[in-house]
Amino acid sequence: AQSVTQPDIHITVSEGASLELRCNYSYGATPYLFWYVQSPGQGLQLLLKYFSGDTLVQGIKGFEAEFKRSQSSFNLRKPSVHWSDAAEYFCAVGKGGGADGLTFGKGTHLIIQP
Amino acid sequence: ETGVTQTPRHLVMGMTNKKSLKCEQHLGHNAMYWYKQSAKKPLELMFVYNFKEQTENNSVPSRFSPECPNSSHLFLHLHTLQPEDSALYLCASSQDAAGGSNNEQFFGPGTRLTVL
Repeated sequence: AQSVTQPDIHITVSEGASLELRCNYSYGATPYLFWYVQSPGQGLQLLLKYFSGDTLVQGIKGFEAEFKRSQSSFNLRKPSVHWSDAAEYFCAVGKGGGADGLTFGKGTHLIIQP
Repeated sequence: ETGVTQTPRHLVMGMTNKKSLKCEQHLGHNAMYWYKQSAKKPLELMFVYNFKEQTENNSVPSRFSPECPNSSHLFLHLHTLQPEDSALYLCASSQDAAGGSNNEQFFGPGTRLTVL
């Protein structure tokens, strides 16, 4: 079975600073990888996804993520964070073979300092 | 309405009550999902429906009973719940069973359930 690890429960970053959120997955085949963001009281919004091809994927709101098969990682990055980026971020993996449910990590809570 | 909607947004129920959560997607998708989000735990997949047929039940207790009358609607019927069932219940939908980019899931805002 697949699994996802997000090692950082909380991360605090100053506004304007760069950000990297870590995600490691465990899956025997080529994974389908996702990053979602959840603001308080809201559902999950997709930031970006990786299915195949270029290992550096661009998403919405200036986010990007890089798939590294050798490290089983799919870290999320942003060069300069804004106060509105404060939220919970979830990495997820899917098998991609149809209407599969996703396996999520526990999430990373991002705090933005002024 | 657009996207995925869920009603009610908040629900408080006693352990002997029977209630239902409703999810509706306006995206023309054919697959729908129920997830449970508890404090300090990852989102847990509960059920998957594809073209109205249940394709996955992730060892969910029978006090949770899903229903998918058509590809646009998904219900979660609740009865004799326990306090530990208090959580945010999220509904999602995706295009269909073809996989690949069709596996992208769109989430509703969730129903915050409190069991007393």
